[in-house]
Amino acid sequence: KAGVTQTPRYLIKTRGQQVTLSCSPISGHRSVSWYQQTPGQGLQFLFEYFSETQRNKGNFPGRFSGRQFSNSRSEMNVSTLELGDSALYLCASSLLAGEANYGYTFGSGTRLTVV
Amino acid sequence: KQEVTQIPAALSVPEGENLVLNCSFTDSAIYNLQWFRQDPGKGLTSLLLIQSSQREQTSGRLNASLDKSSGRSTLYIAASQPGDSATYLCAVSGTASKLTFGTGTRLQVTL
Repeated sequence: KAGVTQTPRYLIKTRGQQVTLSCSPISGHRSVSWYQQTPGQGLQFLFEYFSETQRNKGNFPGRFSGRQFSNSRSEMNVSTLELGDSALYLCASSLLAGEANYGYTFGSGTRLTVV
Repeated sequence: KQEVTQIPAALSVPEGENLVLNCSFTDSAIYNLQWFRQDPGKGLTSLLLIQSSQREQTSGRLNASLDKSSGRSTLYIAASQPGDSATYLCAVSGTASKLTFGTGTRLQVTL
């Protein structure tokens, strides 16, 4: 079966611009989570969507937002980009059993560079 | 707040050695624990998933154990190979519907 697909793989943006990243989960998975990975902070949770609703949000400024569509695909948007937003953005999908889950599968990530 | 710690931060071993990576977490109220591998600049590859009711899981040369009461997990790699060189990440999933990651162990297996 197809894995988690993230597009694009690489992006270079200028400070002040906005960017939209896309994630298609494994077929049948309705939970999609986003993580930011930087050398200094490691992997940090951004937000999680389930059935088009944001269930949980990490400690990031409001410039970071997301949404999920009826087909479970998710997009993440970052507005007014800052140099510190340069990172690898990872998306994960999961099959849920109530509040619990059967583990997470990650995509290959989008490498965002802000110049 | 859940905190996950991995020891050691880096490890270099000669090919063929058996090795153990350690992971500890502060809140034992977890649903499961997952071990991942990450190659430089790449995404995360899931290695093993241990549900909270389980004590261990095995896949090939990998064996992971979980002691929820003491907040510890170990990943055992048998007969290490150069292709095992990567960063290994431990992550726990709890009631907040998210993964909390450790900082990882960078493993290098030398010829």
